[in-house]
Amino acid sequence: AQSVTQPDIHITVSEGASLELRCNYSYGATPYLFWYVQSPGQGLQLLLKYFSGDTLVQGIKGFEAEFKRSQSSFNLRKPSVHWSDAAEYFCAVGPYNTDKLIFGTGTRLQVFP
Amino acid sequence: GAVVSQHPSWVICKSGTSVKIECRSLDFQATTMFWYRQFPKQSLMLMATSNEGSKATYEQGVEKDKFLINHASLTLSTLTVTSAHPEDSSFYICSASKGRSNQPQHFGDGTRLSIL
Repeated sequence: AQSVTQPDIHITVSEGASLELRCNYSYGATPYLFWYVQSPGQGLQLLLKYFSGDTLVQGIKGFEAEFKRSQSSFNLRKPSVHWSDAAEYFCAVGPYNTDKLIFGTGTRLQVFP
Repeated sequence: GAVVSQHPSWVICKSGTSVKIECRSLDFQATTMFWYRQFPKQSLMLMATSNEGSKATYEQGVEKDKFLINHASLTLSTLTVTSAHPEDSSFYICSASKGRSNQPQHFGDGTRLSIL
């Protein structure tokens, strides 16, 4: 069955530190991969997506993610975190033959000054 | 581009009433719209997928008669929670896509529903 795992429920970093949020997926083929961010009480905003091609994708707000087929991973990174990055981050998989999304359980990011 | 508007953002009502939530794609035609429910500090649970002009497809365990979905145009889908009860209180989020598998979903800001 298709699934998405975000191993880290909660991460705390200091402002200015680097960040990596982990995402692993289970799918028979190469899926479409997404990272979304959700601020409290709001909907989800698309940070970046991977469909094919270059395995390192750039997104908005200085985020990037790298697709590693051998590890079935799509980890999100940012070199220097800002206090405004504090939010919930969701990794999602879109199977090839459907426009549905399968979401991970999310990682809550806290940023300390 | 790809803006989705969801209204209302917050509603409180008495038990037994019906509540309608609207989801509009403002600058693109949304062939497919999705309705999610999110419990506190949890991920999104897909409730149903709606395609313009056809009946919605509900996920297993979601009551069709309880959660009525209409997708009458390429820019508007509505979710009506009928005879709402306190256990229906939740955060409901819609999303819209252009209907192809390589198109991302664009999300509304959600509706906080509180049933007293």
